Amino acid sequence: KAGVTQTPRYLIKTRGQQVTLSCSPISGHRSVSWYQQTPGQGLQFLFEYFSETQRNKGNFPGRFSGRQFSNSRSEMNVSTLELGDSALYLCASSMTGWAEETQYFGPGTRLLVL
Amino acid sequence: GENVEQHPSTLSVQEGDSAVIKCTYSDSASNYFPWYKQELGKGPQLIIDIRSNVGEKKDQRIAVTLNKTAKHFSLHITETQPEDSAVYFCAASIEGDMRFGAGTRLTVKP
Repeated sequence: KAGVTQTPRYLIKTRGQQVTLSCSPISGHRSVSWYQQTPGQGLQFLFEYFSETQRNKGNFPGRFSGRQFSNSRSEMNVSTLELGDSALYLCASSMTGWAEETQYFGPGTRLLVL
Repeated sequence: GENVEQHPSTLSVQEGDSAVIKCTYSDSASNYFPWYKQELGKGPQLIIDIRSNVGEKKDQRIAVTLNKTAKHFSLHITETQPEDSAVYFCAASIEGDMRFGAGTRLTVKP
């Protein structure tokens, strides 16, 4: 079974721009979660989607948004980029996203904001 | 919300020794506790997990223990090998909202 894939793997943007990242979950998985990983803050939960609906949301500003398509693929968008948005963005998928379910991570998209 | 603390932040051991990483969590409703290993340039990979109705779980050289009363859980790696060198994260999950510890950088010296 193919794992979680994320595109692009690397991205360089400038302040004020916007960016869209893509995540394809493991086949059959309907829950997709997004995380931001930085050296200072560690792994922080952004949001989780299930059946095209945002079900959980972390403590991030409204500049961070996402969506999920009917095939469970998900995108996240960051508008008006700031230097502090430089990070590794990870997505993880699971069957239903319920509490005791294993999440499988993709390799991440490394975003650098100049 | 849930808060997960992880110690130590760095750990260096000799090959063949054991390594122990400890985590505490704040919300007693947390019921799923996975451990992830992250190698350079890769996403975290699940290495072992434990659910709240279990006290201990073992998989070859890796074991995890959970003390629900004290709200802490630990990862034990025995007979460490250089390829165990990585960053390890613990996490606690409530209703699909997973909170991670800050990570432990484990170095296994040959």
